[in-house]
Amino acid sequence: EAGVTQFPSHSVIEKGQTVTLRCDPISGHDNLYWYRRVMGKEIKFLLHFVKESKQDESGMPNNRFLAERTGGTYSTLKVQPAELEDSGVYFCASSRNFPGELFFGEGSRLTVL
Amino acid sequence: AQRVTQPEKLLSVFKGAPVELKCNYSYSGSPELFWYVQYSRQRLQLLLRHISRESIKGFTADLNKGETSFHLKKPFAQEEDSAMYYCAPSNTGKLIFGQGTTLQVKP
Repeated sequence: EAGVTQFPSHSVIEKGQTVTLRCDPISGHDNLYWYRRVMGKEIKFLLHFVKESKQDESGMPNNRFLAERTGGTYSTLKVQPAELEDSGVYFCASSRNFPGELFFGEGSRLTVL
Repeated sequence: AQRVTQPEKLLSVFKGAPVELKCNYSYSGSPELFWYVQYSRQRLQLLLRHISRESIKGFTADLNKGETSFHLKKPFAQEEDSAMYYCAPSNTGKLIFGQGTTLQVKP
């Protein structure tokens, strides 16, 4: 069974540009989460989807971040426009049950110059 | 406010020594508690969860509600235990991660 996959693994962009990160959860997992780790800090929750609905988006830092999960399958996280402080590693995780074990992707590293 | 504290950023022990990674939490309600681990060049994965009361890879964690702690212990550390360990409570399905403790087991 394929695990959670994230794309791209690393993205380098300039301040003001747009980046879209993609996450494919494990098949059959209705719950999908986005987290991020900014350099030197802890892994912070961004948001939680149940199927295509946003269950909890309390961790989204501001309106430059937009997450979608159309059709309840894969999810995208768009940052527009990117700022320097957005640099970090963005993790996606999925789970079958709520609450349940989270299965993480390898992360997408974002570098904003 | 919900908070998780892992006071040690780095814990270095010799192989065969006991190890204890500390975790204290400040949380409303009765959270479920987890330890996640990230080995070098691998993805973050579940090590153990309080509710299952299992011992995984020789690790155990005892919940102390009075002290609001969930320390991770292993009596004899192995080199392959070297990794980053995260304590993570949850009572709404979302995990709140501590800052993590790097465990370094020296030969």
